[in-house]
Amino acid sequence: TQLLEQSPQFLSIQEGENLTVYCNSSSVFSSLQWYRQEPGEGPVLLVTVVTGGEVKKLKRLTFQFGDARKDSSLHITAAQPGDTGLYLCAGADGGATNKLIFGTGTLLAVQP
Amino acid sequence: GAGVSQSPRYKVAKRGQDVALRCDPISGHVSLFWYQQALGQGPEFLTYFQNEAQLDKSGLPSDRFFAERPEGSVSTLKIQRTQQEDSAVYLCASSSGKRRISPLHFGNGTRLTVT
Repeated sequence: TQLLEQSPQFLSIQEGENLTVYCNSSSVFSSLQWYRQEPGEGPVLLVTVVTGGEVKKLKRLTFQFGDARKDSSLHITAAQPGDTGLYLCAGADGGATNKLIFGTGTLLAVQP
Repeated sequence: GAGVSQSPRYKVAKRGQDVALRCDPISGHVSLFWYQQALGQGPEFLTYFQNEAQLDKSGLPSDRFFAERPEGSVSTLKIQRTQQEDSAVYLCASSSGKRRISPLHFGNGTRLTVT
């Protein structure tokens, strides 16, 4: 069974602080995606990483895929209240359907 | 609208009742997924359709859960004889399926509460 563990589970910080969320697994994934979900809504895709060691930037968000394609991190610089939400990593299992296996989630609250 | 639509948004069922949850994917999307999400947790895979074919139902928790997509567009997730542990948000997602890695577009989910 492929599992994706995220840490921390909860994070409450002040506006302007930096933070990093980790996504770890013992399994190799063919690709990995990060989503953000707000209350009452479905997850929204932020980024897809495919190559081991790949780094992608999306404004103040930096995503990295581990060299062995088993882990990933999301770094947010100068967090803002609008960044508040549930952050989810999701790995593609590489099987026939290539379905996504979601991580356990990190709930981020950015206080103004 | 152009997004994935799910109905109803909220459903309260008494234990033992049957429920049906509907998903309208983005027009033309080949792939359709159902996920179950507990509060504050990541979604868990239930089942996958490619057009009308159910190619993976490995995540369905019991034989009380049944999904269909008879014409390759709208899908229905049915839960028979609901139990309290079925209480969760049920998310539907679709993708074009044109590439090996196609972005998933999620609906806003149906929150099921079994009393």
